[in-house]
Amino acid sequence: DAGVIQSPRHEVTEMGQEVTLRCKPISGHDYLFWYRQTMMRGLELLIYFNNNVPIDDSGMPEDRFSAKMPNASFSTLKIQPSEPRDSAVYFCASSPSTGGVYNEQFFGPGTRLTVL
Amino acid sequence: RKEVEQDPGPFNVPEGATVAFNCTYSNSASQSFFWYRQDCRKEPKLLMSVYSSGNEDGRFTAQLNRASQYISLLIRDSKLSDSATYLCVVNPNGGSQGNLIFGKGTKLSVKP
Repeated sequence: DAGVIQSPRHEVTEMGQEVTLRCKPISGHDYLFWYRQTMMRGLELLIYFNNNVPIDDSGMPEDRFSAKMPNASFSTLKIQPSEPRDSAVYFCASSPSTGGVYNEQFFGPGTRLTVL
Repeated sequence: RKEVEQDPGPFNVPEGATVAFNCTYSNSASQSFFWYRQDCRKEPKLLMSVYSSGNEDGRFTAQLNRASQYISLLIRDSKLSDSATYLCVVNPNGGSQGNLIFGKGTKLSVKP
């Protein structure tokens, strides 16, 4: 299996622009997670899906952020409009449902976002 | 109190040394615990789960103390390749998957 795939790997944009991050989870995994990592705040969960349905979006910072999962093999995280404080590494992760509370989460390589 | 707290380090140790990391968590109802490893500019990867009875995987030993809400990771005979950031991770949701809480990590640097 190719693992979790994220694109783009790097994104540099200007304040006010729309940014779309993409994720393809591991085939067969029921859960998909979006995280953001910064030096100051560490790794924070933004939102997660179970069987394509959003379960908890309490970590989404504000209305500028939205996430969708139209099918089991694709998810997007959109920021509109982007701001410099959104600069971070955004990770997508997926996991199966078979291990209960000890399920391993498999992370993608991340998208390094810089908003100028 | 932060949900998961770790000493950020860095821990600078020579090859062959034994090093221990500690972590505390605030939610006493937390059900499962993990150590993830993150190399510089890479994604986190599961190192090991932490079970109530404690568990060992080669040079790595993880311990859980529920009464003190404390998790530890011991690395024996450290190697240069152990240099990374070690993330303490807690699942606060009893009986279900989902929201993992990550500590900010402890940086380890193993020197020759």
